Amino acid sequence: DAGVTQSPTHLIKTRGQQVTLRCSPKSGHDTVSWYQQALGQGPQFIFQYYEEEERQRGNFPDRFSGHQFPNYSSELNVNALLLGDSALYLCASSFFASDRRYNEQFFGPGTRLTVL
Amino acid sequence: AQSVTQLDSHVSVSEGTPVLLRCNYSSSYSPSLFWYVQHPNKGLQLLLKYTSAATLVKGINGFEAEFKKSETSFHLTKPSAHMSDAAEYFCVVSDPTGGSYIPTFGRGTSLIVHP
Repeated sequence: DAGVTQSPTHLIKTRGQQVTLRCSPKSGHDTVSWYQQALGQGPQFIFQYYEEEERQRGNFPDRFSGHQFPNYSSELNVNALLLGDSALYLCASSFFASDRRYNEQFFGPGTRLTVL
Repeated sequence: AQSVTQLDSHVSVSEGTPVLLRCNYSSSYSPSLFWYVQHPNKGLQLLLKYTSAATLVKGINGFEAEFKKSETSFHLTKPSAHMSDAAEYFCVVSDPTGGSYIPTFGRGTSLIVHP
């Protein structure tokens, strides 16, 4: 059983460009969450997708957007990249909680984004 | 608003000695609390979770944590460290602030295990 997979593993972009990161959830999971982990910091919650809709969002600007597909896979898009967007981007999958409680999540290995 | 503080950025122990990783939290509700471990180039893995049941929580790989409401703490312990325990550990708090359960991660504690 494959766990959470993410692509690409590494990515280098320049300021102002746009980037798309991809995630496939663990088999059987229907909910995908995205996190940003800056160097030396803990992950910060960006948003969560369920049934192809954004359900919860952290304190991130609109430059960060996402999408979930019918097969539950997800994309994270970041527009107008800034140097400060350089980070490890983590995808996590879980079962949807109808009461919106934080569930156990399974994390992928992440995509390392470097903005020059 | 919820917050979490991991009191040590680095903890160094010898193999076979006890491990203590400290975590304090702040929450206006009865929070859920978690510990995750992150090995290099691998995804975060859940060690254990507290969700208002027993205050002493047992997790994987011999780890356990005790929820102490009076001290607002959720420290992670293990009786005997193994070399494979060397990794980054994150304490996480989640409560219904603002009607959602967005998790807040601590900054992490790096556990170093000496042979």
